[in-house]
Amino acid sequence: ETGVTQTPRHLVMGMTNKKSLKCEQHLGHNAMYWYKQSAKKPLELMFVYSLEERVENNSVPSRFSPECPNSSHLFLHLHTLQPEDSALYLCASSQEYGSSYEQYFGPGTRLTVT
Amino acid sequence: GQNIDQPTEMTATEGAIVQINCTYQTSGFNGLFWYQQHAGEAPTFLSYNVLDGLEEKGRFSSFLSRSKGYSYLLLKELQMKDSASYLCAVRDGDYKLSFGAGTTVTVRA
Repeated sequence: ETGVTQTPRHLVMGMTNKKSLKCEQHLGHNAMYWYKQSAKKPLELMFVYSLEERVENNSVPSRFSPECPNSSHLFLHLHTLQPEDSALYLCASSQEYGSSYEQYFGPGTRLTVT
Repeated sequence: GQNIDQPTEMTATEGAIVQINCTYQTSGFNGLFWYQQHAGEAPTFLSYNVLDGLEEKGRFSSFLSRSKGYSYLLLKELQMKDSASYLCAVRDGDYKLSFGAGTTVTVRA
C-alpha cells in the first residue's frame, strides 16, 4: 500500500450504531487530519494531530471522537450520529503541521446515516 | 472565520484555456494551495503560492496577488480528463488551512 488509505470506503449506519473509520498513511508524515466534505460545501477541518498530539480545537460535536495511536494511524469513532452527518470523510497527512507542506488525501469514506 | 470565494461551475471546450479565480479574506497569510478532485476521488495537490507572481507547472499555472487577496489557476490545452472540481485553500496567520467550496470544471468535446 502506498500513500494514504482509508477503510471502509462506504458505510451505512443507523443513528444508534457505533462505528469507526480508519486511516493509515505510508508516507512517514508527522501530521494527520480528518475532514468532512458535504455536497457543494467547503472541506471542513475536524481534527488535526501532529506527532500523535491533537493540535487544533475545532467545533466538532462530541459524537465524533478521534484517536491517533501512532503517527501512521488515525481513527474517527462515531456514535449516535444524525442524518446530517452523512458526508464524505477524508483523511489527510502532511510532512509536518503548518508551513508549506501540502496535504496528501485518502480516498475517503462515504458515510450514510439512516 | 475565513472567507474564500471561487465560482461554482465553469464549462470550456477541449483544447481551450480556463481561468479559475479565487479571492480570500483571512487573518494573516501563509500560503495558498490549489487541489484537483475528480468525482468520487481524493483531492490531489496541484500548486502552492506564497509569494506574488506566477508559478508554472506544465499545462497548469497559478498566480497570486497578496495585496489583492486574489489567486487564479490557469488550465491550458484543456483535456477531457481535466473535468474535475478545483479547490482553493488558504493558510492563515495561525497556519490553519481553509478551503473554498470548489469550482466544478466541465470540459466539452
